[in-house]
Amino acid sequence: RKEVEQDPGPFNVPEGATVAFNCTYSNSASQSFFWYRQDCRKEPKLLMSVYSSGNEDGRFTAQLNRASQYISLLIRDSKLSDSATYLCVVKGFQKLVFGTGTRLLVSP
Amino acid sequence: DAGVIQSPRHEVTEMGQEVTLRCKPISGHNSLFWYRQTMMRGLELLIYFNNNVPIDDSGMPEDRFSAKMPNASFSTLKIQPSEPRDSAVYFCASSHGLGGLGDSPLHFGNGTRLTVT
Repeated sequence: RKEVEQDPGPFNVPEGATVAFNCTYSNSASQSFFWYRQDCRKEPKLLMSVYSSGNEDGRFTAQLNRASQYISLLIRDSKLSDSATYLCVVKGFQKLVFGTGTRLLVSP
Repeated sequence: DAGVIQSPRHEVTEMGQEVTLRCKPISGHNSLFWYRQTMMRGLELLIYFNNNVPIDDSGMPEDRFSAKMPNASFSTLKIQPSEPRDSAVYFCASSHGLGGLGDSPLHFGNGTRLTVT
């Protein structure tokens, strides 16, 4: 089983839609969680950290469920510029482990 | 403020040749990471350094891969001899700390797209 698993997608949504991605992780001792965003042929960049109580940053909401070992990302009012690959990232003992990413395509 | 700088941006080489990838981390960052990205396997951590010392090289595929960090501002990843299955995008990243909560996030370079024919 992979340490971090994501649905590769693509998720095709129209502008203005709400879309959610989930990510599961296998190591129950994982300490911290993040979502990174990667545009086509570019490097990954931190989108947001994920806190135990859940957190929001504008149109983006991240949730953590330790009991079920998954994290989620909700994007409201999708924009064309949200089209990218979203990488779930989990920090274990001493290193970050990246999921393979979920691709989002937002169309006009 | 300059980000992580990698060179070359693209490298095309023939099987059996030596390949050297270079990275200059962000000044002041004490951790440096080498990742490899392919469609099939995503981003895989190859090796990371903390304060110029290799901490975990368990992701290095085999003896053909080696990495060095002679000082705080420079690192290399070498593949010798290269094989077609090494074709991928190689990213270098740096951070203050290990990129967890409380640390600075990982800042990635633009990557080196390696093609081995």
